[in-house]
Amino acid sequence: QKEVEQNSGPLSVPEGAIASLNCTYSDRGSQSFFWYRQYSGKSPELIMSIYSNGDKEDGRFTAQLNKASQYVSLLIRDSQPSDSATYLCAVNWDTGRRALTFGSGTRLQVQP
Amino acid sequence: GAVVSQHPSRVICKSGTSVKIECRSLDFQATTMFWYRQFPKQSLMLMATSNEGSKATYEQGVEKDKFLINHASLTLSTLTVTSAHPEDSSFYICSALTDTQYFGPGTRLTVL
Repeated sequence: QKEVEQNSGPLSVPEGAIASLNCTYSDRGSQSFFWYRQYSGKSPELIMSIYSNGDKEDGRFTAQLNKASQYVSLLIRDSQPSDSATYLCAVNWDTGRRALTFGSGTRLQVQP
Repeated sequence: GAVVSQHPSRVICKSGTSVKIECRSLDFQATTMFWYRQFPKQSLMLMATSNEGSKATYEQGVEKDKFLINHASLTLSTLTVTSAHPEDSSFYICSALTDTQYFGPGTRLTVL
């Protein structure tokens, strides 16, 4: 059983702080990693994808991947109340079919 | 770009009836679409992979005779929940694949 693990939270941070979200995955052969944001009652929206070890930055978001440790994280700088949502980590292990396996999500609360 | 629509957004039906959900890629063609299901406070679970012009690939534990998938064109996949029961009540989300997966807004199904 290939698994993606996330702490369910809630993770509470004050406005303007850095939020750090973590995800581990079980299959060492995984190639593609994604972070999605999901507001309550809505479908997920893609924040970032990352494919190689290291950091990838996009605006206030930085994704970090460490394949040796089977660990991927998302940092949100200058957190805003509008960032309050559930963040889903998703992993693709089948490069042919490109289906995603999602973690259970971490709920982030940014306190004004 | 990369907009995916779903119809209907919400449906309520009686137990034993069938419900069809449409997933359309509006501004791109998608050979592959995916169908997910999300129960309250749980993550997305992949149900099946829909391939244009061929049979869908179902995940383990998903009944193919209950969840009928038709991917008749490069912009449309449909999911039909046959003989729906209250336990089928869930949030059904499709995604269409280009460089990554783009999600539709979801369909909330309630079976009375």
